[in-house]
Amino acid sequence: GAVVSQHPSRVICKSGTSVKIECRSLDFQATTMFWYRQFPKQSLMLMATSNEGSKATYEQGVEKDKFLINHASLTLSTLTVTSAHPEDSSFYICSARVGTGNSNQPQHFGDGTRLSIL
Amino acid sequence: AQTVTQSQPEMSVQEAETVTLSCTYDTSESDYYLFWYKQPPSRQMILVIRQEAYKQQNATENRFSVNFQKAAKSFSLKISDSQLGDAAMYFCAYRSLSAGGFKTIFGAGTRLFVKA
Repeated sequence: GAVVSQHPSRVICKSGTSVKIECRSLDFQATTMFWYRQFPKQSLMLMATSNEGSKATYEQGVEKDKFLINHASLTLSTLTVTSAHPEDSSFYICSARVGTGNSNQPQHFGDGTRLSIL
Repeated sequence: AQTVTQSQPEMSVQEAETVTLSCTYDTSESDYYLFWYKQPPSRQMILVIRQEAYKQQNATENRFSVNFQKAAKSFSLKISDSQLGDAAMYFCAYRSLSAGGFKTIFGAGTRLFVKA
């Protein structure tokens, strides 16, 4: 089946540093990738949708300059948390699918990245 | 502002039985999408089912089906022939496009236990 690899699975870093999380589709071309954030009490937020080769579409209320998303190829999207602070600590999840817009193609999820900022 | 409410923090079902998870939402929009996500203990998310608001027909996906009542703003998930692997946290979500851009709102989740 379709596999999405997310790396790293866990990262701990100091406040003020920038952290990059990678999301790769291993056996299919991911036209669209999604980034989610899950807060400590399990509530979820969709952060942005990215289409290969174009700028990410951020959900309302998500800081674009804080959470940089790049989707430069059909198999890789990255999320960079810039100047991370303790309040950015969360579980970040990516997913990928074939097709753009309102495609009904299935979404495949990565295993998530636990980000802890000290 | 839009809200999504999952009134059942926890539900329990006997294996092979049917269970319905409730979800209600509040919106003034007429066009939107609704989703059910599943997050098992492994924490790897699964998008279970999605419904476009303009479609009257309820979405189904194998043992999973929804009861979409647009006027009542209700979007419940029915799981038939429950299996042990269905034990998970289930999140209902609403997504719409407004002048300010896309906004996706998730419910607080319902934890489903499946008893053998």
